[in-house]
Amino acid sequence: QVQLQESGPGLVKSSETLSLTCTVSGGSISTYYWSWIRQAPGKGLEWIAYIYDSGSTNYNPSLKSRVTISVDTSKKQFSLKLSSVTAADTAVYYCARGVGGYYDSSGFSYYYYMDVWGKGTTVTVSS
Amino acid sequence: QSVLTQPPSASGTPGQRVTISCSGRSTNIGSNTVNWYQQLPGTAPKLLIYTNNQRPSGVPDRFSGSKSGTSASLAISGLQSEDEADYYCSTWDDSLNGPVVFGGGTKLTVL
Repeated sequence: QVQLQESGPGLVKSSETLSLTCTVSGGSISTYYWSWIRQAPGKGLEWIAYIYDSGSTNYNPSLKSRVTISVDTSKKQFSLKLSSVTAADTAVYYCARGVGGYYDSSGFSYYYYMDVWGKGTTVTVSS
Repeated sequence: QSVLTQPPSASGTPGQRVTISCSGRSTNIGSNTVNWYQQLPGTAPKLLIYTNNQRPSGVPDRFSGSKSGTSASLAISGLQSEDEADYYCSTWDDSLNGPVVFGGGTKLTVL
């Protein structure tokens, strides 16, 4: 079955750029949305961004100015870059596979859910 | 401040039925479908319910979801100790908040 594995530095210095990669195994990277989600210590889930296999992207408005998401279909990997990090960016970062589309023929109702998640990787921002 | 509103906590005894609510707006729950994720302690979230009321393969039928207007609910019947976890609702949001939004999460305690 499809598995996702996050990788990247566990410690990033304040004001620098956080870079993470998610590797997809056991399945295709095509026709899915690939997302990054994070969870600060003791807090809830925060969606960061997704990229479709075609390269189209969508970002959380609150993070958009600092986030870049990219995909390398040949390597079955997608990546996250978050610039100018601060202590508030300390979190567990998850990658996930998303499924989405129009829910009914009206064209007004949309569905989007994340059915496969990585185990997460902890990133700490140090001063 | 999360876009979707959930109670921070819920509890029940083994065998009981528990419901967790998720409140939103016309641009999110009112227009689009709702999902629920279960996060057991120290683990990654897991998809529990998708498109309002569908269960992925392997999820027991003790878990059910529903949606009405701008609110959604997750019901757990025959509560078991292993259901103790955090539960998050999520949906698509057509406004500037979106597109993917979560509730703040509900910590379910099995007494």
